[in-house]
Amino acid sequence: RKEVEQDPGPFNVPEGATVAFNCTYSNSASQSFFWYRQDCRKEPKLLMSVYSSGNEDGRFTAQLNRASQYISLLIRDSKLSDSATYLCVVLNTGGFKTIFGAGTRLFVKA
Amino acid sequence: ETGVTQSPTHLIKTRGQQVTLRCSSQSGHNTVSWYQQALGQGPQFIFQYYREEENGRGNFPPRFSGLQFPNYSSELNVNALELDDSALYLCASSGGGTQETQYFGPGTRLLVL
Repeated sequence: RKEVEQDPGPFNVPEGATVAFNCTYSNSASQSFFWYRQDCRKEPKLLMSVYSSGNEDGRFTAQLNRASQYISLLIRDSKLSDSATYLCVVLNTGGFKTIFGAGTRLFVKA
Repeated sequence: ETGVTQSPTHLIKTRGQQVTLRCSSQSGHNTVSWYQQALGQGPQFIFQYYREEENGRGNFPPRFSGLQFPNYSSELNVNALELDDSALYLCASSGGGTQETQYFGPGTRLLVL
């Protein structure tokens, strides 16, 4: 079993749709969680951190469920510019080991 | 932009050769992590350097080695290159009060023939 697993993609959605990505992690001692966005042939860029209380940034909402070892990202009112690969990231042991999921590809169509 | 720079941007090597990749961290950051990203995969953690010491390592063989300098810039060295080493190599810097948030450079694309 992979340490971080994400929904297989790709997701193809129309503009304005709501889309949700899921991610599970295997190490119950994992400490920090993030979502990164990666555009084609570019470096990953931080989208948002994920906290136990949940957090929201505009159209993006991230949730963490430590009991189920599950992280989610919700994108509301999808834009064409949201088309990218979304990477779930887990940090263990004070950030010494960072584990990325394989990513979920999102295509938003007009 | 993150302020993290990497060089070179692209590199072609042949099997068995050695390569050195370079990374300059964002101002104020004391930690650099290196990742290998194969096509269609997420980045795989190679190792992390904090204040010139290796601070954690992923599942990569010893022919992957690194160095961090007093100005916190870093090098990744790969010896005895194999075809499977062809990938995008990313470095990320962190620190300066937000220790765990990592900011990535644009990467170096390595092709091993």
